[in-house]
Amino acid sequence: EVVLTQSPATLSLSPGERATLSCRASQSVSSYLAWYQQKPGQAPRLLIYDASNRATGIPARFSGSGSGTDFTLTISSLEPEDFAVYYCQQRSSWPPLTFGGGTKVEIK
Amino acid sequence: QLQLQESGPGLVKPSETLSLTCSISGGSISSSGYYWGWIRQPPGKGLEWIGSIYYSGSTYYSPSLKSRITISVDTSKNQVSVKLSSVTAADTAVYYCARHRDTVVGVADQPAFDIWGQGTMVTVSS
Repeated sequence: EVVLTQSPATLSLSPGERATLSCRASQSVSSYLAWYQQKPGQAPRLLIYDASNRATGIPARFSGSGSGTDFTLTISSLEPEDFAVYYCQQRSSWPPLTFGGGTKVEIK
Repeated sequence: QLQLQESGPGLVKPSETLSLTCSISGGSISSSGYYWGWIRQPPGKGLEWIGSIYYSGSTYYSPSLKSRITISVDTSKNQVSVKLSSVTAADTAVYYCARHRDTVVGVADQPAFDIWGQGTMVTVSS
């Protein structure tokens, strides 16, 4: 099973700042990594698939990079609506499909 | 556009079977290349994939739940169902259904969980 470790657990930033979230896989997942955003009481929303491809309708301030075992989600300038929990997920080796534990981006 | 809606009992007794249905509207459950997955989220915790069914009917389960879970489709009703037997308090969670795929064939294909239902809370308690 591929274990995904996200860091940091919590990121405290102000609107307008840059957010950098990390996801590390226990073995190579090539580029088969996705990122999701989840707000309280809502279902997750797909942001990035295959490491660096923005999903339909996702603003350009969201970008993904990485391959193999180390991945990054970057939010170039935080908008008020970006404060949420972010999860990574791999589809390289499954079952099982696995998610990281999440990073909460909170307002400083 | 495609929409998913979960439904089922919000309260299940310990040792009984949890049964949920995901109704798909705005598209066909038989669309080529798609899986229909179930993901759960215990209160205040992260996401856990529990299983998926391919449009052809093949099933894939989390190893930790394999002995207790069954996922099926009813193409006539455009629905996917999940049954989880012998539930305990640890199965208390919001259960989501979501569409996903593994391959990119067309420009609109997004190989990830691209469409989600709103989720349904299931509590296991006597």
